[in-house]
Amino acid sequence: DGGITQSPKYLFRKEGQNVTLSCEQNLNHDAMYWYRQDPGQGLRLIYYSQIVNDFQKGDIAEGYSVSREKKESFPLTVTSAQKNPTAFYLCASSSLQVSIYGYTFGSGTRLTVV
Amino acid sequence: AQSVTQLGSHVSVSEGALVLLRCNYSSSVPPYLFWYVQYPNQGLQLLLKYTSAATLVKGINGFEAEFKKSETSFHLTKPSAHMSDAAEYFCAVSDHRNTGNQFYFGTGTSLTVIP
Repeated sequence: DGGITQSPKYLFRKEGQNVTLSCEQNLNHDAMYWYRQDPGQGLRLIYYSQIVNDFQKGDIAEGYSVSREKKESFPLTVTSAQKNPTAFYLCASSSLQVSIYGYTFGSGTRLTVV
Repeated sequence: AQSVTQLGSHVSVSEGALVLLRCNYSSSVPPYLFWYVQYPNQGLQLLLKYTSAATLVKGINGFEAEFKKSETSFHLTKPSAHMSDAAEYFCAVSDHRNTGNQFYFGTGTSLTVIP
């Protein structure tokens, strides 16, 4: 079945460490997105990419980095510059007609700083 | 600019009662509107969407929503709540322009169903 897979489901980070969250899709979608979710704040866009080797900053890109070397993959790195990384991270993908079809979401990664 | 407002961050209903979750939008062009549901520690799942066809949209799990242009609303309803409906619900708006970040989510409404 086609879908979007995020791993790991739970991730623990020590202070000062970089960690990378994986997102893979086999839906042949051109666009991929990373959102951060905090209680009571809804979803906030971190980065998005509409084509391989190109990506754009969202509303809260500081302290994060991404790459899009393959159409299927859009990993997110949470760097040590992100001062409050504890959150639930959601990856999504869509066709370029996102307005009509909406997003397909992964099941999320919960990141906790220890 | 576009945005959605979800009135009520928490809604509680009794099992078997009507579910009404409110969503109002602002858009300078005809909108496309979506409702998503999120169960604990999971991603978001599409419930239903309005894309300028019928104004009453039926979705999964017995939910439906009505697009009312005069009220700029797209409220989500279900005639009879079930315990399994307890979740977080998000309204989202977009339009016909195909740019990557033109998709805006509300802050969500947490639905509790009381036995």
